[in-house]
Amino acid sequence: DAGVIQSPRHEVTEMGQEVTLRCKPISGHNSLFWYRQTMMRGLELLIYFNNNVPIDDSGMPEDRFSAKMPNASFSTLKIQPSEPRDSAVYFCASRNREGGTEAFFGQGTRLTVV
Amino acid sequence: QQQVKQSPQSLIVQKGGISIINCAYENTAFDYFPWYQQFPGKGPALLIAIRPDVSEKKEGRFTISFNKSAKQFSLHIMDSQPGDSATYFCAALQEGTYKYIFGTGTRLKVLA
Repeated sequence: DAGVIQSPRHEVTEMGQEVTLRCKPISGHNSLFWYRQTMMRGLELLIYFNNNVPIDDSGMPEDRFSAKMPNASFSTLKIQPSEPRDSAVYFCASRNREGGTEAFFGQGTRLTVV
Repeated sequence: QQQVKQSPQSLIVQKGGISIINCAYENTAFDYFPWYQQFPGKGPALLIAIRPDVSEKKEGRFTISFNKSAKQFSLHIMDSQPGDSATYFCAALQEGTYKYIFGTGTRLKVLA
């Protein structure tokens, strides 16, 4: 298995633009997480899906952030409009909730909003 | 009560030395404590994990020590190597839930 696949790896955008980050979880995993990593705040959970359903989005910082999981093999995190303070590394992780506790992380998307 | 406090923030160790990273938690409902290792440009990857029914777990050069009464756990890296240079995160989870609580990370540098 190729692991959790995220795209793009790097994204540079201008303030006010829409940004969409993509994630393909490991096949067979039924839990998906979006995390944001910054030096100041470390790893923050943004949203958690179980069986494609958003269970906890309390970590989504503002209405500018939205996430979807239309099927078991694809999820998006959208920021509209983007702001410089959104600059961070965004990670997607997946887990087989019945098969164990380990969360597998993708390589992340480094977002820079200028 | 949901926090996991991690220290130190950064650590420099000579090759062959012992690296020690500490974490403390408050929520006694946590029952799974993993350590993740993150290399630059990569996502965190599970390194080693422990459950509170044991006080120590060893895998190669990596050991977790767990003190349930003190609500503390630590990662020891024996014979540290330059290839161990990475950021290490402790975490805590209540099994059956989904919310991993991560520490703030320790940036380890092992000097050759």
